[in-house]
Amino acid sequence: AQSVAQPEDQVNVAEGNPLTVKCTYSVSGNPYLFWYVQYPNRGLQFLLKYITGDNLVKGSYGFEAEFNKSQTSFHLKKPSALVSDSALYFCAVRLLRGSYIPTFGRGTSLIVHP
Amino acid sequence: DVKVTQSSRYLVKRTGEKVFLECVQDMDHENMFWYRQDPGLGLRLIYFSYDVKMKEKGDIPEGYSVSREKKERFSLILESASTNQTSMYLCASSPIGAGEREETQYFGPGTRLLVL
Repeated sequence: AQSVAQPEDQVNVAEGNPLTVKCTYSVSGNPYLFWYVQYPNRGLQFLLKYITGDNLVKGSYGFEAEFNKSQTSFHLKKPSALVSDSALYFCAVRLLRGSYIPTFGRGTSLIVHP
Repeated sequence: DVKVTQSSRYLVKRTGEKVFLECVQDMDHENMFWYRQDPGLGLRLIYFSYDVKMKEKGDIPEGYSVSREKKERFSLILESASTNQTSMYLCASSPIGAGEREETQYFGPGTRLLVL
């Protein structure tokens, strides 16, 4: 079984400040981990993924995420938030070896205030 | 660029109608998915297809069926629409095999369905 938790429904941050969107996961094995972003009235867009290798993954639009195996976390971060980063963010996980079907978290709404 | 298109952005149907939602991808992906998205519930998988004519039920298949007669097209069918099927429907596709694109899902823009 696999599951993802995004503990915050909403994250508020001021423009220019660092942001973190949290994600923890549970899988019975090694995970593939993903972050997607959804802008209003749009489909999801891929941001970044962790498969193997370096625990710090860099992705699109200046975002990065750190894989922490001991804490089973994959938090999304950005050093300096932009108003245009305001969107819905989804974390997803699937087993490294297994079904091609990922499990998504419930999403976190990021609001960046000017 | 990978493109996943969905037949309608907005759709209004009446209770009991048969509804077809179509999804087409242009990158020869093996896997295709149908999700529904509801506030506070995230994305829930309805059906998954890993090849032509092959399908697997997801978490919430009741009231839905799917069809995949060609590799690029994956249709979601609501046999008899009900008001609790009012939702945003998202289609996605993904490749299999080695390579950088592996595992990444590509999503369509979504269809917002209202059942009256």
